[in-house]
Amino acid sequence: AQSVTQPDARVTVSEGASLQLRCKYSYFGTPYLFWYVQYPRQGLQLLLKYYPGDPVVQGVNGFEAEFSKSNSSFHLRKASVHWSDWAVYFCAVSTTGGNNKLTFGQGTVLSVIP
Amino acid sequence: GPKVLQIPSHQIIDMGQMVTLNCDPVSNHLYFYWYKQILGQQMEFLVNFYNGKVMEKSKLFKDQFSVERPDGSYFTLKIQPTALEDSAVYFCASSLGLGGLYNYAEQFFGPGTRLTVL
Repeated sequence: AQSVTQPDARVTVSEGASLQLRCKYSYFGTPYLFWYVQYPRQGLQLLLKYYPGDPVVQGVNGFEAEFSKSNSSFHLRKASVHWSDWAVYFCAVSTTGGNNKLTFGQGTVLSVIP
Repeated sequence: GPKVLQIPSHQIIDMGQMVTLNCDPVSNHLYFYWYKQILGQQMEFLVNFYNGKVMEKSKLFKDQFSVERPDGSYFTLKIQPTALEDSAVYFCASSLGLGGLYNYAEQFFGPGTRLTVL
């Protein structure tokens, strides 16, 4: 069975600074990987997704993520954080050939200080 | 972008009562999902549903749970009877397809229904 770990429950960065949110997955086969963002009182919104191909994927609002099979990781990055990025970020995995169910990490709360 | 609606946003009920959570999925989507998030914990898959049938359910989907989507109306999650451990936020999602061309499998999520069982 697949699993996802987000080791940082909370990350605080200054506006304009760079960001990395960590995600580690466990799955023997070929995973599909996702980053979602959740703003207060809203549903999850997809930031970006990976399926086999280029390991670096670009998403919305300047986010990107890099897949590493050797490290079983899919870390999210942004070069310059904006105050509007303050939200909860979830990493998730789904499996090829499955019923499209998503397995989520625990989430990372991103706080942005001026 | 496409939106999934959930009604109500918050429901408070007494233990043992029945509750129905409603989801209005994206209009042309064919696959529907429920996820459960207990406060402070990760979101967990409950069930997915296609063409009137449950495709897969997790161990969290107890016998007291049921899902349906009668005649293209709301996709519903019913819990009867409720228990204290059912208190959580329930998220509905929908997708156009599964796998293959992966854009079709992208799940769109609603804002969640917070269920409080007293």
